[in-house]
Amino acid sequence: QKEVEQNSGPLSVPEGAIASLNCTYSDRGSQSFFWYRQYSGKSPELIMSIYSNGDKEDGRFTAQLNKASQYVSLLIRDSQPSDSATYLCAVLNTGGFKTIFGAGTRLFVKA
Amino acid sequence: DVKVTQSSRYLVKRTGEKVFLECVQDMDHENMFWYRQDPGLGLRLIYFSYDVKMKEKGDIPEGYSVSREKKERFSLILESASTNQTSMYLCASSPHTGTEAFFGQGTRLTVV
Repeated sequence: QKEVEQNSGPLSVPEGAIASLNCTYSDRGSQSFFWYRQYSGKSPELIMSIYSNGDKEDGRFTAQLNKASQYVSLLIRDSQPSDSATYLCAVLNTGGFKTIFGAGTRLFVKA
Repeated sequence: DVKVTQSSRYLVKRTGEKVFLECVQDMDHENMFWYRQDPGLGLRLIYFSYDVKMKEKGDIPEGYSVSREKKERFSLILESASTNQTSMYLCASSPHTGTEAFFGQGTRLTVV
């Protein structure tokens, strides 16, 4: 079992729809969770961080964390073609030094 | 703005060569990391450092070494480059443990 698992996609949604990206992790002691966006040929950049169970909203983005289920998700409301990218889920391990990345989910937003 | 700068955007090296990838950050961050990114495998941690002259192995350290003589600079060394080390290499830094990572622009290394 991979430490951080994501559906590789591609996930295709129409413009204006909600895109839902999901991630599961294996380290039950993990405390810090991150979503990064990576455009083709570019480096990852942070979108959201979340540390507590529940929802965290920032503009069109909402991160959701359920530690009991070892599940973290990212919702993108009113999806735009400019949101088309690969989204990487990242989890900080129990020791606190290593951030483990998922393989990423490719999102396409159709105009 | 945080800036993480990698010395080269593209490199082509021959099998057996010793290769140096340099990374510099300008925000006095404690932690620095080297990842490689391959299609379908995501980012995999090679080495990281949480202080000057300190280094820790990541998940795939074989064939690599690192050096951190100054806080702002973290170097990745391929002792004897092999074709299976052809990849995108990403350097990152973070201010403290548990915080977000800031990435450099990446170095696409091809070993022929």
